Amino acid sequence: NAGVTQTPKFRILKIGQSMTLQCTQDMNHNYMYWYRQDPGMGLKLIYYSVGAGITDKGEVPNGYNVSRSTTEDFPLRLELAAPSQTSVYFCASSYGLATYEQYFGPGTRLTVT
Amino acid sequence: DQQVKQNSPSLSVQEGRISILNCDYTNSMFDYFLWYKKYPAEGPTFLISISSIKDKNEDGRFTVFLNKSAKHLSLHIVPSQPGDSAVYFCAASGGYGGATNKLIFGTGTLLAVQP
Repeated sequence: NAGVTQTPKFRILKIGQSMTLQCTQDMNHNYMYWYRQDPGMGLKLIYYSVGAGITDKGEVPNGYNVSRSTTEDFPLRLELAAPSQTSVYFCASSYGLATYEQYFGPGTRLTVT
Repeated sequence: DQQVKQNSPSLSVQEGRISILNCDYTNSMFDYFLWYKKYPAEGPTFLISISSIKDKNEDGRFTVFLNKSAKHLSLHIVPSQPGDSAVYFCAASGGYGGATNKLIFGTGTLLAVQP
C-alpha cells in the first residue's frame, strides 16, 4: 500500500513552460486535494475533488488546472509557468470530509526561472 | 487575512520536558481542529484532532486543548523526544458550507528537541 505518490520530486521550469504534476492514491479515497506551500507559509489549497469527474477551486487556483477521470489519479496542470508558482506542491487524499485525516504525498519542489 | 495563526515560528525544548505549541484562530465558525507534523522532504502527517464540542483530546504523549472563548488551541507533547523535532501545523475546518469543509492551515512552528 503506497498511499499517495507524487511525481516528479523536483522540477525546474522556464517561464512560460507548462507541466503536469502527477498524483496517485491507492486507498480508494473519494476526496483529493492539491496544496502549495511557500517558504514560511502554511499550505494553501489550490484545487480539490470530491470524486471522479468533480473538481472545484480552492483558495489559490489561478494559473492551475486539474482533472479527475479516475478515483486514483488527480493531476495538476500548470500552464504558462510564472516565478510566483515556485513552491512545494503537495497532493493529499481523504476518505471524506475535512474531519477525516488527509494523507499527503511527499511533495514536488518546483522552481520557475 | 490569516485565519489560523501560529505566532511562534520556532520552539526549542530539552528532551524529556514538555513542548507546548500554540495556535490562534479568528473564524468563530471553525468547528474542527487538527495538528499535522512535517519532517523535511516529506508530506505532513496527521497527529491529533479535536472537535469544538470538546476542550481536550489525548493520544499518548500528545494532548490538544481547545479554548473556544479565546479562539485558541494548544498542543502539548510530554515527554518530548528528539524524534519529535519537526514542523507542526495547526489546521481548522468548518464554516464554509458545502460538502468538503476545506482545511485552513497555520504557518507552522518548527520544534527542536535537544538531547
